[in-house]
Amino acid sequence: AQSVTQLGSHVSVSEGALVLLRCNYSSSVPPYLFWYVQYPNQGLQLLLKYTSAATLVKGINGFEAEFKKSETSFHLTKPSAHMSDAAEYFCAVSVNTGNQFYFGTGTSLTVIP
Amino acid sequence: NAGVMQNPRHLVRRRGQEARLRCSPMKGHSHVYWYRQLPEEGLKFMVYLQKENIIDESGMPKERFSAEFPKEGPSILRIQQVVRGDSAAYFCASSPPGTGNNEQFFGPGTRLTVL
Repeated sequence: AQSVTQLGSHVSVSEGALVLLRCNYSSSVPPYLFWYVQYPNQGLQLLLKYTSAATLVKGINGFEAEFKKSETSFHLTKPSAHMSDAAEYFCAVSVNTGNQFYFGTGTSLTVIP
Repeated sequence: NAGVMQNPRHLVRRRGQEARLRCSPMKGHSHVYWYRQLPEEGLKFMVYLQKENIIDESGMPKERFSAEFPKEGPSILRIQQVVRGDSAAYFCASSPPGTGNNEQFFGPGTRLTVL
């Protein structure tokens, strides 16, 4: 079975500071990993995904994530936070033998001016 | 290319009424997935459908909930005799054939409120 743990349900950073959102996964087979962003009352927008190619994945809006198999992690980073980054972020995992995505409980990012 | 469309965006029902949520997948996508997001939680898988077939309904509550994806028209998630605990955001996702495990496109969701 697959699962995702997002450490820190709320993260606050100052504008211009590094953003680090943590995601650890559990999977008995090689996973596919995703980060989605959700703005208030909106749907999920894909930021980036890992599907067994390069372990460092670059996404939209300056975000990137690194797949670390030894640590079963897929942490999301952005060098410099912008006010528009304030949103809910979800990490998700799937596997090539299934069809459903398994989501973490989300991390709410606040950017302080 | 229009994205996944869901309607209504907001739905209010009284306890005991029926709720019907609609999802139109992206053009060319024949696979649809429904997820439910309870307050303060992540999305939980409910059901996976292809045209005229339910492929996986392992996340669907056994009673009052049903889903369909007819040959023509949108996919529909139906909740009969709604209760307050059904209040949630319901998201639909779609994918082209054969890619559902690494590419699902999500709609804006339907926010159901049960009074």
